[in-house]
Amino acid sequence: GQNIDQPTEMTATEGAIVQINCTYQTSGFNGLFWYQQHAGEAPTFLSYNVLDGLEEKGRFSSFLSRSKGYSYLLLKELQMKDSASYLCAADNYGQNFVFGPGTRLSVLP
Amino acid sequence: GAGVSQSPRYKVAKRGQDVALRCDPISGHVSLFWYQQALGQGPEFLTYFQNEAQLDKSGLPSDRFFAERPEGSVSTLKIQRTQQEDSAVYLCASSSNSGGSVNIQYFGAGTRLSVL
Repeated sequence: GQNIDQPTEMTATEGAIVQINCTYQTSGFNGLFWYQQHAGEAPTFLSYNVLDGLEEKGRFSSFLSRSKGYSYLLLKELQMKDSASYLCAADNYGQNFVFGPGTRLSVLP
Repeated sequence: GAGVSQSPRYKVAKRGQDVALRCDPISGHVSLFWYQQALGQGPEFLTYFQNEAQLDKSGLPSDRFFAERPEGSVSTLKIQRTQQEDSAVYLCASSSNSGGSVNIQYFGAGTRLSVL
């Protein structure tokens, strides 16, 4: 079967650091993707990992452990505009993405 | 075009009506995907095209759902005899499928379908 799990909601303070975790069990796996989605808008690509380790892109970093079926997205220096849903998705060999339920992040002043 | 374009953005249908949702992928993108997103949930896969070939339609929830991409660019998702449970946002995504190991999917803003 295929299962992606992530927390439903998180709250953090402006300027802080937040880590959003994602665990996955999929029959096919070719990488783990993170998307940001503001309400009523398209999901926008943030980061991906194919190999184990940390990928850093400005204020956003993503980590992957294939052996543990685990990933996280790290957001630094939080800004109010970072309030959004964050979607974790496993790439099924380019055939489709299997998405988690999304984590709704609220950044408070 | 610059991004994935979907139309209409909003569609209200009476139960039993047929609807057609359009997706214009990024120019030159080989792969096209349709997803269904219920309120407060992550997108769920419906179907996948590579050029004009529909390679996977395992996510289509019933035979009332039909998708096509006749010329390998624009795609249409058709839902016949709509039911209330079809109410959702329908997202389209495309990727270049350049042959590399990673194919980032780029999403449109979706069509929000409400069935009354």
